Amino acid sequence: EIVMTQSPATLSVSPGERATLSCRASQSVSSNLAWYQQKPGQAPRLLIYGASTRATGIPARFSGSGSGTEFTLTISSLQSEDFAVYYCQQYNNWPPERTFGQGTKVEIK
Amino acid sequence: QVQLVQSGAEVKKPGASVKVSCKASGYTFTSYGISWVRQAPGQGLEWMGWISAYNGNTNYAQKLQGRVTMTTDTSTSTAYMELRSLRSDDTAVYYCARDGGATIPYFDYWGQGTLVTVSS
Repeated sequence: EIVMTQSPATLSVSPGERATLSCRASQSVSSNLAWYQQKPGQAPRLLIYGASTRATGIPARFSGSGSGTEFTLTISSLQSEDFAVYYCQQYNNWPPERTFGQGTKVEIK
Repeated sequence: QVQLVQSGAEVKKPGASVKVSCKASGYTFTSYGISWVRQAPGQGLEWMGWISAYNGNTNYAQKLQGRVTMTTDTSTSTAYMELRSLRSDDTAVYYCARDGGATIPYFDYWGQGTLVTVSS
């Protein structure tokens, strides 16, 4: 089973600043990596897939990079609505098997 | 527009079973699969398994093998997740999510979640 490890667990950032979140896979997942945002009481929302492709309607301040085992989600200038928990997820295509990281909480500094 | 609407909250006793439904609309149901994801209170997301709405093929998380069954009813575009032998640590919000299997292998739409509480 592929283990996904996110760091840091909590990131304190001021509005307008840049946030950089990391995700590491225990073995190569190529570019089969997605990022999700979850706010309290809500279902997760897809932000990024294919490691770097923004999902429909996602603002350009969200960007993803990386391949293999090391991935990064960058939020270029944090807005108030961006304070949330972010999860990375690997997906191998067949048979369908998905694994989430434990999440990074982005909080207001 | 794509929507996944789940059944309501459940309270179950330890050892019982629960069956959660997820009704899809706004897309061709059999062109995608459905993954189920759960989230215990204050915890992260845990993938439970996947089912193809096209042919019913499944792949379950190893941890839940033998206790979980996922099915679909194509006549009503509804997916179901049944979890048996419930324990207190199965208390969680259960989500369904559209999962395109090999072609679109990520979760672009989610249900609203169903809280399952296991308590004696």
